[in-house]
Amino acid sequence: SQKIEQNSEALNIQEGKTATLTCNYTNYSPAYLQWYRQDPGRGPVFLLLIRENEKEKRKERLKVTFDTTLKQSLFHITASQPADSATYLCALAVDSSASKIIFGSGTRLSIRP
Amino acid sequence: SAVISQKPSRDICQRGTSLTIQCQVDSQVTMMFWYRQQPGQSLTLIATANQGSEATYESGFVIDKFPISRPNLTFSTLTVSNMSPEDSSIYLCSDSSGGITDTQYFGPGTRLTVL
Repeated sequence: SQKIEQNSEALNIQEGKTATLTCNYTNYSPAYLQWYRQDPGRGPVFLLLIRENEKEKRKERLKVTFDTTLKQSLFHITASQPADSATYLCALAVDSSASKIIFGSGTRLSIRP
Repeated sequence: SAVISQKPSRDICQRGTSLTIQCQVDSQVTMMFWYRQQPGQSLTLIATANQGSEATYESGFVIDKFPISRPNLTFSTLTVSNMSPEDSSIYLCSDSSGGITDTQYFGPGTRLTVL
């Protein structure tokens, strides 16, 4: 069956360290992969999109990689801050003409001072 | 990006009743979508709200249970009909200027509790 998994339900790291979140998928050939941030009581907020022909995308302290051979995306936050604490969701668009996005269940990231 | 508001932000309802959730976007958008997010779970797409025509429902969701309206390019409603406790969830609307594979912008969600 088709699955998208975010390996850690929760991740707790020290401020200043790099947080690395993992998104793995099976039985998909996604054209795009997206990462969203969700704070409690709020809707998801788009962060980054990476296409299947891109290996890496950066935005300020954020970096996303996309390995279609491993069927995996890694999401990095460098120099992490307590304000980065939130749930992070990955989402796949199955193909370029897909009609739906599949979301992972999210990783709850906590940055301790 | 468009700003999306939802009403109500939360509600507590009795079993067997229905609730209509409103989604308002501050500019005209091509696509609007409705999602459900159950506690500790990922977002699940319920349907695509089509302007001027019937919504397109995903597998496991039917119009009788989740009727949707989209009378114009800035507004949509989702009704949760004949509610049961299993319908307790957060309901979110989103919009996209492109297709569903494009970046989506989400409303704040409606937290529904069914007793």
